[in-house]
Amino acid sequence: DQQVKQNSPSLSVQEGRISILNCDYTNSMFDYFLWYKKYPAEGPTFLISISSIKDKNEDGRFTVFLNKSAKHLSLHIVPSQPGDSAVYFCAAIGSTLGRLYFGRGTQLTVWP
Amino acid sequence: SQTIHQWPATLVQPVGSPLSLECTVEGTSNPNLYWYRQAAGRGLQLLFYSVGIGQISSEVPQNLSASRPQDRQFILSSKKLLLSDSGFYLCAWSVGIVGGNGYTFGSGTRLTVV
Repeated sequence: DQQVKQNSPSLSVQEGRISILNCDYTNSMFDYFLWYKKYPAEGPTFLISISSIKDKNEDGRFTVFLNKSAKHLSLHIVPSQPGDSAVYFCAAIGSTLGRLYFGRGTQLTVWP
Repeated sequence: SQTIHQWPATLVQPVGSPLSLECTVEGTSNPNLYWYRQAAGRGLQLLFYSVGIGQISSEVPQNLSASRPQDRQFILSSKKLLLSDSGFYLCAWSVGIVGGNGYTFGSGTRLTVV
């Protein structure tokens, strides 16, 4: 049962434009939502997170938006750069759930 | 500072051979440890996690096993590899109640079973 879903396996964006990666979840017990970035043959690295009590968190070019009523979050990257090309994983965790749940990932390609 | 080491980086093994992947964490005590697998074209699948020495929880029944002989050491094993065991194996750690910082991952092992 996939509790965290990323329905778009890939996204292609031109350099300088906005990249929007989407994620849906089913479990209302999640306390935090996280985004990880992964390059080929490397481990995922933490990018940004948001608490379930907030609706927006910003860190430089990266902003995560949370819509609890829709059980939906999104990662915005502005402006997109070629170095942002990677697989982005959405993840969620709840203090009573004990572990991180991951989506299947979205391959972002930023072209010049 | 905390670091996580995972080796080997790549491994090619024949079907039916044994497997041992090792992960160690430095700079922290009593970490929670995790083994994940990313199969080709798929997401991150949690295989095992451990909250202490000798304590292993399995998420998915399979051909693999895990052990934690020391506080900061986590080993993934198999007695006989299958072709379907090929994938990218990741070790990760966390401390205490995991919140907005999530887990920290190692650099991974690319396993190809031939």
